[in-house]
Amino acid sequence: QSVLTQTRSRSGTPGQKVSILCSGSSSHIGRNPVSWYQYLPGTAPKLLIYGNDQRSSGVPDRFSGSKSGTFASLAISGLQSDDEAVYYCAAWHDSLNIWVFGGGTQVTVL
Amino acid sequence: DVKLVESGGDFVQPGGSLRLSCAASGFMFRDYWMTWVRQAPGKGLEWVANINQDGSEIYYVDSVKGRFSISRDDTRSSLYLHMSSLRAEDTAVYYCARERAGGHTNDAFDIWGQGTMVTVSS
Repeated sequence: QSVLTQTRSRSGTPGQKVSILCSGSSSHIGRNPVSWYQYLPGTAPKLLIYGNDQRSSGVPDRFSGSKSGTFASLAISGLQSDDEAVYYCAAWHDSLNIWVFGGGTQVTVL
Repeated sequence: DVKLVESGGDFVQPGGSLRLSCAASGFMFRDYWMTWVRQAPGKGLEWVANINQDGSEIYYVDSVKGRFSISRDDTRSSLYLHMSSLRAEDTAVYYCARERAGGHTNDAFDIWGQGTMVTVSS
């Protein structure tokens, strides 16, 4: 069981907006920046968002991140078939001195 | 080009040992914290260990403490993961990644290698 909690799956049609929630506690999300990664099987994870809401270089502005308290979210607007992947959130856990990931959210484009 | 290339993954029996390597290029390796992350078949990403710039700070996930050892050689721009007493549950693709320095803390893994597969089975 992952320390950060994510919805297991989300789906949408091309052009729609999909939001992914990542929930945690004051030991990690509440205290430290959240990052988001896109993962396609057989490839390296790709950094999308760092520092809660900063897009990594080359990431389209269709991807946006936000954080409020112990919750973080990733929104994908104008959904495209290329966006079909697993998305993970991550943050540093202050008390345990470890990085923690969410369990991953499978995004399906219908 | 900024790049990380892992190697050393193999098929090993339970109780065995293995050393993974990660060769960095295209950036000042000595300036960064480095990390290992793994993904077991059908599971999500799991952080394994990290090391700071001079090796004075090292952290591990509980499940590998006492069995895995992370190290670095800045002269070779290389990161290592020494794994011993391997178990079936250590079977995974192992990725090395660079940690991005944020404000008061590192805030992301901004560069990833392509991964190397470790299979622990009898």
